[in-house]
Amino acid sequence: EDQVTQSPEALRLQEGESSSLNCSYTVSGLRGLFWYRQDPGKGPEFLFTLYSAGEEKEKERLKATLTKKESFLHITAPKPEDSATYLCAVPRLVILGSQGNLIFGKGTKLSVKP
Amino acid sequence: NAGVTQTPKFQVLKTGQSMTLQCAQDMNHNSMYWYRQDPGMGLRLIYYSASEGTTDKGEVPNGYNVSRLNKREFSLRLESAAPSQTSVYFCASPGQNTGELFFGEGSRLTVL
Repeated sequence: EDQVTQSPEALRLQEGESSSLNCSYTVSGLRGLFWYRQDPGKGPEFLFTLYSAGEEKEKERLKATLTKKESFLHITAPKPEDSATYLCAVPRLVILGSQGNLIFGKGTKLSVKP
Repeated sequence: NAGVTQTPKFQVLKTGQSMTLQCAQDMNHNSMYWYRQDPGMGLRLIYYSASEGTTDKGEVPNGYNVSRLNKREFSLRLESAAPSQTSVYFCASPGQNTGELFFGEGSRLTVL
């Protein structure tokens, strides 16, 4: 069965303290891995898509990397405004029109204290 | 350009009552999705519509019905609400080429 597991469930950092979030997956043929950010009371907001092992993408203080078994979201010198829940997800099916059918992890809640 | 709009944002129901959650997207996307999000469970797909006139079940469809009214609108109906349907419901629509999901702000439903 396809699965996505995120760790840790929660992470508390001091401002400027770099760290990484983990997303491990077991799927029969990876068709992309997505990272989203979710603020309290809001819908998830897209961050990155990774398609192949070795691929990396960056946005401000965030960098996502992908291996054959897992993905990491590296946060460099975080600021309080980076506090949010970070979700990763993989596509469940490849049927036309179902590219939004994703298996989501339960998320990592990041808190960055000033 | 609002993206994905959901109504209502909050709703309280009694067990057995019915209600419809509305979703509209102004991005001219073909497909639309309904997810629910529960603490400790993550986001789970209820139903989706690959294109106007088609709907398909997701992971947790029991107790729900959907209607793809036109290309813009996709509604989710609870015919007889149960406490287990207390959740936050998100409507989403994927970009045509990138596949990234654009989510609405959510509808918070409590069933007493």
